[in-house]
Amino acid sequence: AQSVSQHNHHVILSEAASLELGCNYSYGGTVNLFWYVQYPGQHLQLLLKYFSGDPLVKGIKGFEAEFIKSKFSFNLRKPSVQWSDTAEYFCAVSEGGYQKVTFGTGTKLQVIP
Amino acid sequence: KAGVTQTPRYLIKTRGQQVTLSCSPISGHRSVSWYQQTPGQGLQFLFEYFSETQRNKGNFPGRFSGRQFSNSRSEMNVSTLELGDSALYLCASSDLGGGIETQYFGPGTRLLVL
Repeated sequence: AQSVSQHNHHVILSEAASLELGCNYSYGGTVNLFWYVQYPGQHLQLLLKYFSGDPLVKGIKGFEAEFIKSKFSFNLRKPSVQWSDTAEYFCAVSEGGYQKVTFGTGTKLQVIP
Repeated sequence: KAGVTQTPRYLIKTRGQQVTLSCSPISGHRSVSWYQQTPGQGLQFLFEYFSETQRNKGNFPGRFSGRQFSNSRSEMNVSTLELGDSALYLCASSDLGGGIETQYFGPGTRLLVL
């Protein structure tokens, strides 16, 4: 069975700081990887996804993630965070597309102005 | 395009009752997935439907069931409700059964079981 680990449960950063949220998964086969974001009071939305190809994936709002197969990792990064990035971030994995997506426990990011 | 809509938005039931939640995907989307979100367990996959067929099912008891209609609208049903079923139930739709299209989530139905 798949599992996803997000090591940081709560991260507090100042504006303009760089962000890296860790995500590791356990599944030996071909995977699809996702980062979702839930802003306060808003719907869950897809931030970025990796299906195949370039392991460095660009998402919305300046976010990117790198798939490192040998490390079973898909860390989320942003060079300079803004107050508006305050949200909860979920890493997720599936064996195929959006079918049977397994989520991590989430990381709450708080950006201080 | 209208987004994913879920009805009702809030629901209060008592233990032992059953409940039906509805999800209308984005027009043209044929894949609908359901998730349960709770503070303790986080986001968990319930099941996924594509073209009226259940393709995947998560690790939930048989009290949780669903279906999809020919217009891609989907319903999920929970029978014999338990206190632990209190949660936010999210529906998401995507096109082409996944592919590389973006997945869109609805606002959720918040169920409280008393």
